[in-house]
Amino acid sequence: ETGVTQTPRHLVMGMTNKKSLKCEQHLGHNAMYWYKQSAKKPLELMFVYNFKEQTENNSVPSRFSPECPNSSHLFLHLHTLQPEDSALYLCASSQDTRDQFFGPGTRLTVL
Amino acid sequence: GQSLEQPSEVTAVEGAIVQINCTYQTSGFYGLSWYQQHDGGAPTFLSYNGLDGLEETGRFSSFLSRSDSYGYLLLQELQMKDSASYFCAVNIRMNRDDKIIFGKGTRLHILP
Repeated sequence: ETGVTQTPRHLVMGMTNKKSLKCEQHLGHNAMYWYKQSAKKPLELMFVYNFKEQTENNSVPSRFSPECPNSSHLFLHLHTLQPEDSALYLCASSQDTRDQFFGPGTRLTVL
Repeated sequence: GQSLEQPSEVTAVEGAIVQINCTYQTSGFYGLSWYQQHDGGAPTFLSYNGLDGLEETGRFSSFLSRSDSYGYLLLQELQMKDSASYFCAVNIRMNRDDKIIFGKGTRLHILP
């Protein structure tokens, strides 16, 4: 595996479900990011981790809970989501912020 | 606050040249990046300008004028595969943390 991988690629869940998104980077980077991309909206930065420490939380609702066990892995735990949370969730990694490598994303649909 | 402006759509002809502009209002600015995203794909990094002037990478060039808070992406010898969305992003430093803020993206349509 090379680059940034994300699983699952597609996820359909009900509002009462709990699920997790996984991201793994094989680039030796020290920073990892979660973004949300909705139709006709800019990429929204959700969380940033530097050397496993969370350095940014952009006022994200608590129903989204990130976890970074080491500098190569990043999770996004989801619970009691709303239909408006349906979007493409992108993970990225970088050695410095100017050059980010994105994973393929998880297309999330909340019913 | 922080803001970026870029056109929502641009149309050009195969083989031609197209320029996508980006203006920004930010504090703590230190660089401008460009990303490409094809439908159904992930954004991929294209270029970065930390200093004023032109950076060239093959058919793509990017320009920055810090005094005008303005930059552009120039695509030459357009090919059908260049049909995609292009995002400018400002790199800023706030409270000793580096951040990146993306624009809404410009959808580039290429006509044969």
